[in-house]
Formats: sequence, C-alpha cells, structure tokens
Amino acid sequence: DIQMTQSPSTLSASVGDRVTITCRASQSISSWLAWYQQKPGTAPKLLIYEASTLESGVPSRFRGSGFGTDFTLTISSLQPDDFATYYCQQYNTYWTFGQGTKVEIK
Amino acid sequence: EVQLLESGGDLVQPGGSLRLSCAASGFTFSSYDMSWVRQAPGKGLEWVSGIRGSDDNTYYADSVKGRFTISRDNSKNMLHLQMNAVRAEDTALYYCAKWRYSSGDFDCWGQGTLVTVSS
Repeated sequence: DIQMTQSPSTLSASVGDRVTITCRASQSISSWLAWYQQKPGTAPKLLIYEASTLESGVPSRFRGSGFGTDFTLTISSLQPDDFATYYCQQYNTYWTFGQGTKVEIK
Repeated sequence: EVQLLESGGDLVQPGGSLRLSCAASGFTFSSYDMSWVRQAPGKGLEWVSGIRGSDDNTYYADSVKGRFTISRDNSKNMLHLQMNAVRAEDTALYYCAKWRYSSGDFDCWGQGTLVTVSS
C-alpha cells in the first residue's frame, strides 16, 4: 500500500501569510495527487488535482506542485476563509489520503 | 447542480448489517464513477470502495473487502453500500463521492451519513 505523509500536522498562521504544506508518498505516484480542503462539519472540497491543476472555481492563491514522491500545497496569501484542514490524496494504486494538516489562526 | 444525498446511517451492533444509499442528481449518473469515503470521528479520510459507471467494476479497501458490497442502480440514480459483519472500527461518517477516473480525484461529495457500531 502507498502511504501518504503530510507535514506539519498543525500550522499556525496569520491572515496574509504564505503557507506551505508538504505531502510525501511512500513510492512514486507520478502526478496522481489531489488536495482537498475540509472545514468542520462539512464535506471535503477538491482544490487541486493531478498535482498542480486548479479545480474550477478555486481561488488562484492556491497552488500545487511536485512529482513522484514529494508534493506541496501553497497558499500565497492566507485568507480568513482558508482556516481549515487540508488533505492530500494519491491515486496511483487505489486511493490513500494523508493524515491532514490543520491550518489554524495564530 | 450536482447533488449527492446519503442516507441509511444508524446505530448497529457489532456483527450486524446496514445498507447505505446515495441519491444523485444534476448529472448523468450512469456515465460517472462513484465511491464511498469514510471519516471516523475526529480522524482523517479513508477511501472505502468504488464502482465504475462504464462496466460496474468494483474496488474495495482491504479493511472492508469481503464484508462490504458496493452497487449502483442507474435507473434510479442511486449508489449503495451494503455493510455486513460490521466492526467498531467501521464507525464513521460515510461520504458518497463522484469519482473522476481520468484524474483519480473526487470532485463532488455528499454531506455524509453517520454509522455507529456499538453494543
């Protein structure tokens, strides 16, 4: 099974900060990686797919990058609506999610 | 607008059975692949099962293989998950998700239905 490891588990930041979340796969997954945002009590929302393609309607401050085993999600300027938990997900062999990164207010 | 509405979640005893359903609308259901993803209370996301729209091929996580069965009724735009021999570790919010086979992601999600396994 492919394991996905996100870091950090929790991130404290302020509005306007540049935020970076990393996701590492236990083996190469090419570009088969997606990022989701989840707010308390709501379903996950797709932000980025195929490692770097922005889902329709998602603000351009979200950017994904990486290939193979190492991936990043960057929020260029954190907005109040961005405080949430973020998950990476691989699709190379079935589907596996990372454990999540909670972005909280500093 | 794509909508997915799950139902069927309940309190069930260990070893018991439960059937979850997901009503889909706003898209051509038969043309799309679908999945179930669960989230234990306070925990992360875990993919459970998937089914292709084109040929009904099914896929299961090792943790549920042999116990859960995914199915779909394209005439009624419904997705189902039959859960048998449930365990305490199956306690979770179960989401129905529209699966994009070409990119491997889940682009639309329902709001979930809660399954609690407890005696």
